[in-house]
Amino acid sequence: DAKTTQPNSMESNEEEPVHLPCNHSTISGTDYIHWYRQLPSQGPEYVIHGLTSNVNNRMASLAIAEDRKSSTLILHRATLRDAAVYYCILTAYNFNKFYFGSGTKLNVKP
Amino acid sequence: EPEVTQTPSHQVTQMGQEVILRCVPISNHLYFYWYRQILGQKVEFLVSFYNNEISEKSEIFDDQFSVERPDGSNFTLKIRSTKLEDSAMYFCASRKGGRDTQYFGPGTRLTVL
Repeated sequence: DAKTTQPNSMESNEEEPVHLPCNHSTISGTDYIHWYRQLPSQGPEYVIHGLTSNVNNRMASLAIAEDRKSSTLILHRATLRDAAVYYCILTAYNFNKFYFGSGTKLNVKP
Repeated sequence: EPEVTQTPSHQVTQMGQEVILRCVPISNHLYFYWYRQILGQKVEFLVSFYNNEISEKSEIFDDQFSVERPDGSNFTLKIRSTKLEDSAMYFCASRKGGRDTQYFGPGTRLTVL
C-alpha cells in the first residue's frame, strides 16, 4: 500500500486558515486520497476525499497537486473543536481497507 | 444523520475469556469493517466483510478472531481467548459501496486483565 508522509504536529490560531500537508510520492493512478480526523477518545471521522481534482465540502477543502504526489487539507477557519489528529490515507479504487499512518496532531490556540 | 453505533463502550474481561463486540452499521450499508487501536498507537485494519463473507483480513486477524452478521442489523467481532495484548479500542466501520467512503463508530474499549 502506498505510503503517506505528514508532519507530526502543527499549530494554528483560532479563526485562521490551516493548511495540513501530505506527501504521497508513490501514489498509483487509481489511488484515492482520503482525509480523516480523530478527536480524543473518539473514532475516526471522515473529512474529505478526492482523486485528481480539488474538492470542497462543508468541513474542508482538498487541494491535490497536478502530479498527485502531494495534497493539502485546508480548514478555512480553525476552531478549538478542530483540534485533532488528521490522517491522510491512500486507498485503492475499492475503498476496502484503510491504512492509517501516524497523522498530524493539530493544536488550535485561542 | 445516520451513525454507526457500538456496544458496549467499555468491556473488561479476564485473560482467556471470550468476548463479543457488537456494531450496528448504517442501515443501507453493505460493506463492514473492524479496526483496532492500541493505546497511543496507529489505527490498524483487521478485517473487511461483504455479502456474508470476509473479503480481506490483515495478519493481525488470526484464528482467535471471527466476524459475523447474525441478522440484518448487527455486525460482531468475536475474540475467542483474549490475551493481554488484545487490550485496545476496537472500531467498527461501514460503507454503502461504490465511491462512498467508510464511516466509523465511536469504538469499544476492551481491557483484558
